[in-house]
Amino acid sequence: QKEVEQDPGPLSVPEGAIVSLNCTYSNSAFQYFMWYRQYSRKGPELLMYTYSSGNKEDGRFTAQVDKSSKYISLFIRDSQPSDSATYLCAILQGAQKLVFGQGTRLTINP
Amino acid sequence: GAVVSQHPSWVICKSGTSVKIECRSLDFQATTMFWYRQFPKQSLMLMATSNEGSKATYEQGVEKDKFLINHASLTLSTLTVTSAHPEDSSFYICSARDYQVGSYEQYFGPGTRLTVT
Repeated sequence: QKEVEQDPGPLSVPEGAIVSLNCTYSNSAFQYFMWYRQYSRKGPELLMYTYSSGNKEDGRFTAQVDKSSKYISLFIRDSQPSDSATYLCAILQGAQKLVFGQGTRLTINP
Repeated sequence: GAVVSQHPSWVICKSGTSVKIECRSLDFQATTMFWYRQFPKQSLMLMATSNEGSKATYEQGVEKDKFLINHASLTLSTLTVTSAHPEDSSFYICSARDYQVGSYEQYFGPGTRLTVT
């Protein structure tokens, strides 16, 4: 079983829609969870990170962690064409190793 | 702030030659840098963790003699792909941690696309 599983998509939605991106993880000991956005042929950039369970909101983005089901989510409200990218979830393993999900390719259609 | 650069952004080399990729933290000191590779439509896979002034720690399955990592200063790490083969063609991305900030965040470089012919 992979440590982090993510549906690779692709996912295509109309502009203004609410987008839900999800990952599952295998080890209940993980505490730090990240979401990265990666544009084509670029390095990833950190969108949000959360510690333990709960929600975290930043503008149109909300990250959610459900430790009981080992499920992490990223919601994008009022999606824009500029949000079109690959979104990667990641967990922090130990003190510094990031383990990434496969990434979901998202397209927002004008 | 927290900018990481990579050079070159893309490189084409012939099979059997060696290629060096540089990773620099431009506005912070990075005691630890990380090297990843990413195949098309796949995720980032950690290759090795590089600590300034010491030997790199390689992930299982990564050949340390093929992927030479040097982290000689607090702002520069290099990855050398030795005797490159077409299967080494990939997108190589580095990242760095700013320990002074005290967070777990890694700042990623823009990546280097390597094509071996």
